[in-house]
Formats: sequence, C-alpha cells, structure tokens
Amino acid sequence: QSALTQPPSASGSPGQSVTISCTGTSSDVGGYNYVSWYQHHPGKAPKLMIYEVSQRPSGVPDRFSGSKSGNTASLTVSGLQAEDEADYYCTSYAGSNNVVVFGGGTKVTVL
Amino acid sequence: QVQSVQSGAEVKKPGASVKLSCKASGYTLSGYAMHWVRQAPGQRLEWMGWINANSGNTRYSQKFQGRLTITRDTSASTVYMELSSLSSEDTAVYYCARDPYGYKWYFDLWGRGTPVTVSS
Repeated sequence: QSALTQPPSASGSPGQSVTISCTGTSSDVGGYNYVSWYQHHPGKAPKLMIYEVSQRPSGVPDRFSGSKSGNTASLTVSGLQAEDEADYYCTSYAGSNNVVVFGGGTKVTVL
Repeated sequence: QVQSVQSGAEVKKPGASVKLSCKASGYTLSGYAMHWVRQAPGQRLEWMGWINANSGNTRYSQKFQGRLTITRDTSASTVYMELSSLSSEDTAVYYCARDPYGYKWYFDLWGRGTPVTVSS
C-alpha cells in the first residue's frame, strides 16, 4: 500500500499563506478526484477541511482551499491564524485493492 | 449533537484480540459507511477498512486481511472493529470515521479515538 508524500513541516506568520503539497502516483492522487484534507489537533478528532480535491464543507473558512495538478494535490491556508496551527493530512482513494492511502502529515506552525 | 462516540482505552497482551465500538449519536447509522483508521505513535494515519452500515458489506486493507473484522448493529447504532493476533505494532489510537456516501472516499465526522496498548 503506497503512501502519499507530504513535507513534514510548514510555517508562516499570521496573515500569511502556507501551501502544503501531497504527492502520490497515477494510481491514487493522479487517477481520481477523491483527495481530501484533514486538520488534526493532538488529542482531538480529525476534522475534514477539503474533499473531492477542492470542495469545502460547510463551516470551514474560505481561507482553506484545495487543488490538484497531475499526481500532486495541494492545500493552501490563506490569512493564517493562530488556531490553524495543527497537523494536516491528505488522503486519496487508491482503487479497489488499496482503497485509501494517507500522507505522512504536515505540522503547520504559526510563527 | 451529531457525533461518533468511541469506547474507552484498552490494554491487551500480545496474541489477544480487541473489539472496539463506535456509536452513532445524532444521526442514523444506516445512512452511512464507516471506516476505521489508526495512528501508531509517531506514525502516519493508516486506513484499515470500512463497512457499509446499510448493507453490512465490508472491505479491508490487505495489510489486515484475516485478522480484522468490522461489523455493525443498526439497532444499537453501533459499528464494531475487532482486531486479532495483536502485537506491539498494533499499539495505536484507533478512530472511526464516517463516510457520507461510501463512494466519494472522504470522512466528514471522526470519533475522538480509542487508545489501544499491546504489552506483555
């Protein structure tokens, strides 16, 4: 079961933007528009931030946006706020055998 | 309040089995699929398998084939995850994650997780 590649860390000052990449293969990220992103504060339940590459659930600020190009998906957080400091994970559907794969997570720090 | 309520922490010996529960509160379980995801200390989230709570159909990650069983009791609004032949590598926090469609592969509601420790 292949995993998706994320940078281990990213940071920005309040008000700045940060973009997190999520690189897979043509068998997962590149092959399906089923990429989603989750915010995880330790000790709490993960929270859905983006689904189907770029769709934002109700209640998620429009500061969060998603995109995809080829085998790489991206999550951008604009106008960073202190509460955005968390771990962020990407996932992708990977076909009927592998089903779902996760990225390794990116720790976002608000400086 | 819409939430998935998971059972409490477990401590098991190697070779034993563990059965965790995830109760739907504020929503109808049969309208969703439910996945199980775990996170070992210092490791990434790892998908384990899922169940269509309406039909009872299941699909497991190849990694857990043969020792993972996911079931549901719609009358109790609860999904269960049983993992057998435990080893120290199964020490992790186990999450249930609700899938609103069962074919769009995203999780719109997560439980808070159940810590499982496997130690002799």
